[in-house]
Amino acid sequence: GAVVSQHPSRVICKSGTSVKIECRSLDFQATTMFWYRQFPKQSLMLMATSNEGSKATYEQGVEKDKFLINHASLTLSTLTVTSAHPEDSSFYICSAGSRGARTEAFFGQGTRLTVV
Amino acid sequence: LAKTTQPISMDSYEGQEVNITCSHNNIATNDYITWYQQFPSQGPRFIIQGYKTKVTNEVASLFIPADRKSSTLSLPRVSLSDTAVYYCLVGDPNTGGFKTIFGAGTRLFVKA
Repeated sequence: GAVVSQHPSRVICKSGTSVKIECRSLDFQATTMFWYRQFPKQSLMLMATSNEGSKATYEQGVEKDKFLINHASLTLSTLTVTSAHPEDSSFYICSAGSRGARTEAFFGQGTRLTVV
Repeated sequence: LAKTTQPISMDSYEGQEVNITCSHNNIATNDYITWYQQFPSQGPRFIIQGYKTKVTNEVASLFIPADRKSSTLSLPRVSLSDTAVYYCLVGDPNTGGFKTIFGAGTRLFVKA
């Protein structure tokens, strides 16, 4: 199956700093990528849809100025958590899909963010 | 996107067959049904996908009745390593890369 790689898998940062998480589709071109957040014992919550070459579409309640998404190429999307606070600590997961060729989304391994 | 309803949790024993049913009453004509498995601190992993009737692969079977308002994931002989959360998702894969909205999922506990 297709491979989606996330980096880093774990990151610890200080309050007030920014953290960038990368999501790469390794063997296919992803016109669309999705970013999720998951708190312990809860389901994945969709944060935003990242479209190659255009602005991301954010779900209701997600601050676009805090969670900056860039999808500059067909294989890379980045999520930057700006001015991170302890409540931003969570498990962030990306997924990628492409039009037509595949009929399921492929997920990255996730990034555990801890803000101290 | 069609809403899905699954049991919150299920218990089983090693070697048993496990069937997890998902309700999706508002499924649309172009929607597919996809099941994912998630272990703690990992991204979801694709298990199986179907549109109608029965689909089988090396790890599971998916049964979809004619009205498609529900589906059942069948895991033939579970082992301890099958303890995970299982998500049923419904959506049209051709509308921009298969946007997936997750429900609560089913926590399966496999006991020795």
